[in-house]
Amino acid sequence: NAGVTQTPKFQVLKTGQSMTLQCAQDMNHNSMYWYRQDPGMGLRLIYYSASEGTTDKGEVPNGYNVSRLNKREFSLRLESAAPSQTSVYFCASSAERESYEQYFGPGTRLTVT
Amino acid sequence: DAKTTQPTSMDCAEGRAANLPCNHSTISGNEYVYWYRQIHSQGPQYIIHGLKNNETNEMASLIITEDRKSSTLILPHATLRDTAVYYCIVRGGGTSYGKLTFGQGTILTVHP
Repeated sequence: NAGVTQTPKFQVLKTGQSMTLQCAQDMNHNSMYWYRQDPGMGLRLIYYSASEGTTDKGEVPNGYNVSRLNKREFSLRLESAAPSQTSVYFCASSAERESYEQYFGPGTRLTVT
Repeated sequence: DAKTTQPTSMDCAEGRAANLPCNHSTISGNEYVYWYRQIHSQGPQYIIHGLKNNETNEMASLIITEDRKSSTLILPHATLRDTAVYYCIVRGGGTSYGKLTFGQGTILTVHP
């Protein structure tokens, strides 16, 4: 089991460019999440998906879109990157709505210049 | 979800128990206490959770006070690999089920 995988590991973008961060899990989990972590801060929830075909906004959704492509994959898209989106992005998944354990991926380190 | 308060940093000697406190004085009856840790820029790792009873697993023990307004995470025999940021999170049920709100956590440094 690979758990939660994220691609790419590192990315540098210029202001205004777009990109998609990919996340996949092989644990047959229903729920998936995207967080961002700014330097010296805790994680903040961007979007989450309770099940295939559903997505909901988290704490900081502005500037992002998501797609729950299937049960395994949950992507995060930046349509027009801004320097304020420089951060480390973590994807996570959990089994059921009452599951207490979220499994996190290794993160994508994004720099927007 | 209830707000939590943790010390900014703590030190512990290798082999000794590390006791990490957390205050959550506004916790409500259906809210659980979770602990996660993050080792140097890796993704956070789940440690343990509880509602009102004390809990123990292979990683740690969680002691929750009777009034549930505070809790303590105990790493019984800390090692250098336990150096990390530890997050205490209170999470409710219902529509907030998946929303973990991470504060700044406690930086635990384990010394040789």
